Amino acid sequence: AQSVTQLDSHVSVSEGTPVLLRCNYSSSYSPSLFWYVQHPNKGLQLLLKYTSAATLVKGINGFEAEFKKSETSFHLTKPSAHMSDAAEYFCVVSASHNNDMRFGAGTRLTVKP
Amino acid sequence: GAGVSQSPSNKVTEKGKDVELRCDPISGHTALYWYRQSLGQGLEFLIYFQGNSAPDKSGLPSDRFSAERTGGSVSTLTIQRTQQEDSAVYLCASSSQRRDYEQYFGPGTRLTVT
Repeated sequence: AQSVTQLDSHVSVSEGTPVLLRCNYSSSYSPSLFWYVQHPNKGLQLLLKYTSAATLVKGINGFEAEFKKSETSFHLTKPSAHMSDAAEYFCVVSASHNNDMRFGAGTRLTVKP
Repeated sequence: GAGVSQSPSNKVTEKGKDVELRCDPISGHTALYWYRQSLGQGLEFLIYFQGNSAPDKSGLPSDRFSAERTGGSVSTLTIQRTQQEDSAVYLCASSSQRRDYEQYFGPGTRLTVT
């Protein structure tokens, strides 16, 4: 079984400052990990994914995440927040041997001008 | 190519009625997922299918909820005797091992129980 914990339900940053959204996972198998974003009244969009290749994964819109097995973490970062980054972000874990995927509860990112 | 489609896009029903929500996954995707998203809430996992079988039904909130998938393709989520707390957006997603299990989401069905 696998699960994911997003450590912050709400993160607020100022425009131009760094973003850090935290995610810890639990998996009995080698996991695949994903970050999805959902803008208000929009569908879910994949930001990036880790599937046992490079541990530092780059995604769309300047986001990246680093897989750290020793810390069972997959935190999402961006060097400089933009107003358009305001959205809900979901961390997702999947066991690599099957399709069973679990979403975290989500982190709402607010960007202040 | 075609993405995941869901129908209807909106459904308003009276309390106590049954509803059926449909999901057409991307062709060839073996896995199919149902989630529920209530207003301002995160995604609540309901059920997932691997082919036509459902290895995990643990997310179904009550025995009023059921789902089936036939021919490894279309899936139907049925809610019997709907209650007002069933009001939510119901999202379907599909994935394939060939794409590292990346989930592709449909636009959702907004269910309102009056």
